[in-house]
Amino acid sequence: GQQVMQIPQYQHVQEGEDFTTYCNSSTTLSNIQWYKQRPGGHPVFLIQLVKSGEVKKQKRLTFQFGEAKKNSSLHITATQTTDVGTYFCAPSGSARQLTFGSGTQLTVLP
Amino acid sequence: DGGITQSPKYLFRKEGQNVTLSCEQNLNHDAMYWYRQDPGQGLRLIYYSQIVNDFQKGDIAEGYSVSREKKESFPLTVTSAQKNPTAFYLCASKPPGVGNQPQHFGDGTRLSIL
Repeated sequence: GQQVMQIPQYQHVQEGEDFTTYCNSSTTLSNIQWYKQRPGGHPVFLIQLVKSGEVKKQKRLTFQFGEAKKNSSLHITATQTTDVGTYFCAPSGSARQLTFGSGTQLTVLP
Repeated sequence: DGGITQSPKYLFRKEGQNVTLSCEQNLNHDAMYWYRQDPGQGLRLIYYSQIVNDFQKGDIAEGYSVSREKKESFPLTVTSAQKNPTAFYLCASKPPGVGNQPQHFGDGTRLSIL
């Protein structure tokens, strides 16, 4: 599978602050998915990016796929306590399996 | 309500013992997966199956075995050869379709060694 580096590993923010996590690969990715895992829970699919330079928004969440398709980011505007969890990127080099990044664990302080 | 059911939620294993984790889905998905998650880590692929009676090793298959006799079921056996089995095990399935479809996960099984 594709190898990716996800940074930062941990992020603590005050409620209302913004948050960004980055996913970087040394090779070109065919597509990338993002998942959120709440504490004690299981990963839940958020979005898939396929096209070079693609930007998708879900309310306060903005997902980007780099022009070279080697990196991706997830930005949350004005974080809320409900945003707490670990965010994983999961690129796919083939149609059959994903490789999950190590995740960014987000803590939102009230 | 359709979904993926993993059981048990918690499991304890004695040294030298094999244990089997259950994963059942009623989503009519062809592909199923087993992942291992260690604290503060991402998910690592153990085994996957694209179709009944066929499965492939993932990145960390040593010490594990699977079977896929029915479309709905993909049990994972953690054998005594797996020396560090304590982890959170997640089962997932994926719908058919063109391109890379999102995976649906069960609630997981937490395995601990006694």
